[in-house]
Amino acid sequence: EVQLVQSGAEVKTPGESLKISCKGSGYSFTSYWIGWVRLMPEKGLEWMGIIYPGDSDIRYSPSFQGQVTISADKSITTAYLQWSSLKASDTAMYYCLRQPPDRSLEDYWGQGTLVTVSS
Amino acid sequence: QSALTQPPSASGSPGQSVTISCTGTSNDVSSYDFVSWFQLHPGKAPKLIIYEVSKRPSGVPDRFSGSKSGNTASLTVSGLQAEDEADYYCSSYAGSNNLGVFGTGTKVTVL
Repeated sequence: EVQLVQSGAEVKTPGESLKISCKGSGYSFTSYWIGWVRLMPEKGLEWMGIIYPGDSDIRYSPSFQGQVTISADKSITTAYLQWSSLKASDTAMYYCLRQPPDRSLEDYWGQGTLVTVSS
Repeated sequence: QSALTQPPSASGSPGQSVTISCTGTSNDVSSYDFVSWFQLHPGKAPKLIIYEVSKRPSGVPDRFSGSKSGNTASLTVSGLQAEDEADYYCSSYAGSNNLGVFGTGTKVTVL
């Protein structure tokens, strides 16, 4: 059974760093893209970026380039999304998802990680 | 890449049908048959219910159907059930140099 299991909810203060995770299981982790998307009330889903763990090809949405870092450790089949300095506007639900090599669909999703940034 | 346009809300009584539209551009929906639909329930992982415009993953009831005409894709939920009350999002492939694009989301209420 394919599963993407994300790390738990986080409460941070502005300026702090954060790294959330997404562990894949039940499939060949290096043969599928892992994507990260943000869900904010009234804004809907937004693409942040994707990574292909097989060769570490990483692509960012222009809106998130330089704002976050995406990485993966294929030895533990886990992808990461990290911030070096959080802002209150980063408060949102973050999902990871899986895409096949041709990126034609998003077939499995993680359960989401709620990130709250507040002073 | 601008978000695909969906109506903010839709509703229907149990047993009725509801159709949600998803309007894009020549850069996405109208150029590729890679439109997907997702169902989001609070606290649960989003679920793929339609892919490649009209295909259903294994386990998705045939009450869910998808179609596309030009730059607008549609999701129809027939025989509405209480558990269909959720947020629904569309997405489209937008070429190899883009990440893709999501819809603005539609909240479906079962009256």
